[in-house]
Amino acid sequence: DAKTTQPPSMDCAEGRAANLPCNHSTISGNEYVYWYRQIHSQGPQYIIHGLKNNETNEMASLIITEDRKSSTLILPHATLRDTAVYYCIVSRSYNTDKLIFGTGTRLQVFP
Amino acid sequence: DGGITQSPKYLFRKEGQNVTLSCEQNLNHDAMYWYRQDPGQGLRLIYYSQIVNDFQKGDIAEGYSVSREKKESFPLTVTSAQKNPTAFYLCASSIGQAGNEQFFGPGTRLTVL
Repeated sequence: DAKTTQPPSMDCAEGRAANLPCNHSTISGNEYVYWYRQIHSQGPQYIIHGLKNNETNEMASLIITEDRKSSTLILPHATLRDTAVYYCIVSRSYNTDKLIFGTGTRLQVFP
Repeated sequence: DGGITQSPKYLFRKEGQNVTLSCEQNLNHDAMYWYRQDPGQGLRLIYYSQIVNDFQKGDIAEGYSVSREKKESFPLTVTSAQKNPTAFYLCASSIGQAGNEQFFGPGTRLTVL
C-alpha cells in the first residue's frame, strides 16, 4: 500500500493561496490520490481526488505530477474557516474505498 | 436531508461494559466503514462492509464487533476485550467503488471510566 508524507504544519495568510504538498512515491498505477480535511472534533470532509490528471472543484485544485509521485492541494483563497488538518491519502485497493489516514498537515490560516 | 448520523455525540461507560455505537445513512450507499481516532492521530480503520450481511476486519479490529443486517445501518460494538476503548469513533459510507468519496458522520466520543 502506498504511503504518503506531508509536512506536519503550515501557515497561510487569509486571502492568499494555500499550497499543501504530499509525497506518495510508491503509488501504483491504479491508486487514486484523495484529499480530506478535518476541522477540530468533526468528521473528515472530502475535498477532491484524482488519478492522473489535475482536478478542480469548487473547494480546491489538485495538481498531480506527471510521474504521480507527489501532489499539491491548492486552496486558492484561504479563509479562517479553512483552518483544519488536511489529509493526503492514496487509496488502498482497486475494488474498495479503504483509506489509510496519516497524521496530515495542520493548516493554520491567520488574519 | 441526506447524510450519516451517529448517536450519541458523547458516551460514557464503565470499564468492562460492552457498548454499541449507532451509525445510520440514508444515502443509499453500499459500503460503510468504522474508524477510530486518538488525540493528535489520524484515523485507523476498524471494520468495513461493502454489502449487506458481509463485513471485513480493518487494521485494528480486535475488541470490536459489527453487524450489517440492513443497508442503512452499521452498528459497532466496543467489547470489554478492547483494552483502550476511549477514543473518537467515526462512521463513513461510500458508493463502494474505487475513486468515490467517503462521507463521514459527526462522530461519537466514547469515554470509558
